[in-house]
Amino acid sequence: LAKTTQPISMDSYEGQEVNITCSHNNIATNDYITWYQQFPSQGPRFIIQGYKTKVTNEVASLFIPADRKSSTLSLPRVSLSDTAVYYCLVGPVEDYGQNFVFGPGTRLSVLP
Amino acid sequence: DTAVSQTPKYLVTQMGNDKSIKCEQNLGHDTMYWYKQDSKKFLKIMFSYNNKELIINETVPNRFSPKSPDKAHLNLHINSLELGDSAVYFCASSHLLAGGTDTQYFGPGTRLTVL
Repeated sequence: LAKTTQPISMDSYEGQEVNITCSHNNIATNDYITWYQQFPSQGPRFIIQGYKTKVTNEVASLFIPADRKSSTLSLPRVSLSDTAVYYCLVGPVEDYGQNFVFGPGTRLSVLP
Repeated sequence: DTAVSQTPKYLVTQMGNDKSIKCEQNLGHDTMYWYKQDSKKFLKIMFSYNNKELIINETVPNRFSPKSPDKAHLNLHINSLELGDSAVYFCASSHLLAGGTDTQYFGPGTRLTVL
C-alpha cells in the first residue's frame, strides 16, 4: 500500500496558480495517481488521474516526474470556489477500492 | 438526474437503535462502496461491492451490514447504534477508466448523529 504525504494546509489568493505536491516514495509499478476534491458537506469529487509525465484536463494539470515518487496537482488561476480539501491517492488498476486510502488531504484556502 | 444519491441526508437517533441508509447510482457502474468520515475528516473505506458481491470488508463491526439487491443499489444497515458511530457516511460507485484505475463518484453523504 503506497502511503502518501501532502501538506496539511495551503493559502492562496484569487487568480494565483496553486501547486500541491504529494509524496509517494513507495509507489508500485502498476499504481496510478488520482486526485480528489472535497467541498464542505459534500462527497469527494474526482479531479484528475495520471500514471507518468503530464496530464491536463479542463480543471487541473498533474505533473509526475520520471521516478514517480511524487506528483504535483496544479490549479490555474484559483477562485474562492476552489477552497476545499484536496486528496492524493495511489492505487493499482482494478483494485475495487482496496488501496483507496484517503489521508488527511490538503486544505486549500483561497483568499480574496 | 443525480448520479449517486443517498437517503436520508441527516439521521439523528438514540443509542441502541437500528437504522438503514440507502444508496442508489444511475451511472451503470459495477462497483459500489461505503465510506465513513469521522469528526477528524479522515475518510475510510468500509465496504466494496462488485457486481453485487462483497470485495472488501474492512475492519468494521459486524453491526454494520451492507446489502446489495442489485448493481444500482447498496444499502447500509446498522444495528445497535453506538455513540462512536456518529459520522458522515458516503456511498460511492466507480468505473474503470480506460487504461487506468477505478474513478469513484461519491454521493452527498448522510450525517448520522447518535445520541
